[in-house]
Amino acid sequence: DAGVIQSPRHEVTEMGQEVTLRCKPISGHNSLFWYRQTMMRGLELLIYFNNNVPIDDSGMPEDRFSAKMPNASFSTLKIQPSEPRDSAVYFCASSLRPGLTEAFFGQGTRLTVV
Amino acid sequence: EDKVVQSPLSLVVHEGDTVTLNCSYEVTNFRSLLWYKQEKKAPTFLFMLTSSGIEKKSGRLSSILDKKELFSILNITATQTGDSAVYLCAVSRRSLVIQGAQKLVFGQGTRLTINP
Repeated sequence: DAGVIQSPRHEVTEMGQEVTLRCKPISGHNSLFWYRQTMMRGLELLIYFNNNVPIDDSGMPEDRFSAKMPNASFSTLKIQPSEPRDSAVYFCASSLRPGLTEAFFGQGTRLTVV
Repeated sequence: EDKVVQSPLSLVVHEGDTVTLNCSYEVTNFRSLLWYKQEKKAPTFLFMLTSSGIEKKSGRLSSILDKKELFSILNITATQTGDSAVYLCAVSRRSLVIQGAQKLVFGQGTRLTINP
């Protein structure tokens, strides 16, 4: 298995534009997590899914952020409209049996909003 | 609110020294505690701890969990420059809403620098 795959690896966009980040979890994993990492706030959990169902989105900063998981092999995180303060590295992670097995991280998407 | 607090936030030592990194937590429905190492890219898994008092060991790294006092430590002996990284502690807790779902919350991390 290739691991958790995220795309794009880097994204530079202008303020106000829509940004879509993509994630393909490890096949067979039933939990998927989206994190945002900044120097100031560390690794923040934005939302997580279990069996494609969003369980807890309390970490999503505001209505500009939305996430979907239409099937077991794909998830998106969308920011619309984007703002400079959204600049961060966004990680996706998946786990086979969270709490019992570790979560595996993708390589992240570095987002810069100018 | 779930809390995972790591200390120190930053640590600089010389090669060969032994270091101890700390992680304390306050979560409901605790399931496990995990340690990750993050260099330039994605965090990579080190240990998962579920039971108190049982040390997990991998080479020069070891970790132990105290579920009564709600903390864990990560020890690195005979440190090397390659150990320089951010070490992240995370706690997995059961969802209050959906059976079987687990939430994974991270601390701020400890930035460890090993000087030659």
